Amino acid sequence: AQTVTQSQPEMSVQEAETVTLSCTYDTSESDYYLFWYKQPPSRQMILVIRQEAYKQQNATENRFSVNFQKAAKSFSLKISDSQLGDAAMYFCAYRSWEVGNNDMRFGAGTRLTVKP
Amino acid sequence: DTEVTQTPKHLVMGMTNKKSLKCEQHMGHRAMYWYKQKAKKPPELMFVYSYEKLSINESVPSRFSPECPNSSLLNLHLHALQPEDSALYLCASSQTFGPLRANVLTFGAGSRLTVL
Repeated sequence: AQTVTQSQPEMSVQEAETVTLSCTYDTSESDYYLFWYKQPPSRQMILVIRQEAYKQQNATENRFSVNFQKAAKSFSLKISDSQLGDAAMYFCAYRSWEVGNNDMRFGAGTRLTVKP
Repeated sequence: DTEVTQTPKHLVMGMTNKKSLKCEQHMGHRAMYWYKQKAKKPPELMFVYSYEKLSINESVPSRFSPECPNSSLLNLHLHALQPEDSALYLCASSQTFGPLRANVLTFGAGSRLTVL
């Protein structure tokens, strides 16, 4: 079974600075999807960014980018120009490419604090 | 409409009560999910419906009974719950076919359940 590990329970960053959240995963599959979701105090899980494993190019969404290292099974999230609204719990998630496999597996989460 | 709507937002029930959580989406998604999330933990998958048929049941106790009456609605019927069942219950939906099968999950804001 696939597992997702986030080794940083908490991180903090100064407003306008850059922070990187770590994620590693374990899988025997060659094709899969990886995601970062954020969950602010409002509780809603919001998609931040996604990466298809067959794509070598790292995904980017505005201030958010990933460093996807397939061989190392690493998928880190970089947040540039951090804003107060970025404060949230961030979950790394894995999803199989397999048709019919609808499960999404989450890491334990990293709580990000943004200091003004 | 790009939302998943969950009702109620908060629910308090006794161990002998029968209640239901409701989830609705109008994005044409044909997969719908129930997740359970305890405080400071990641979401844990409970059930998946694909084309209105139950496709995944993660060995959830029978006091939780899911129902998918149509492609837009998902219910979770609750009966004889235990205090340890108190949690945030998240509903999500996703595509199940085509290139978007990358299957971004769109989540609702959750229903906070307290069992007394």
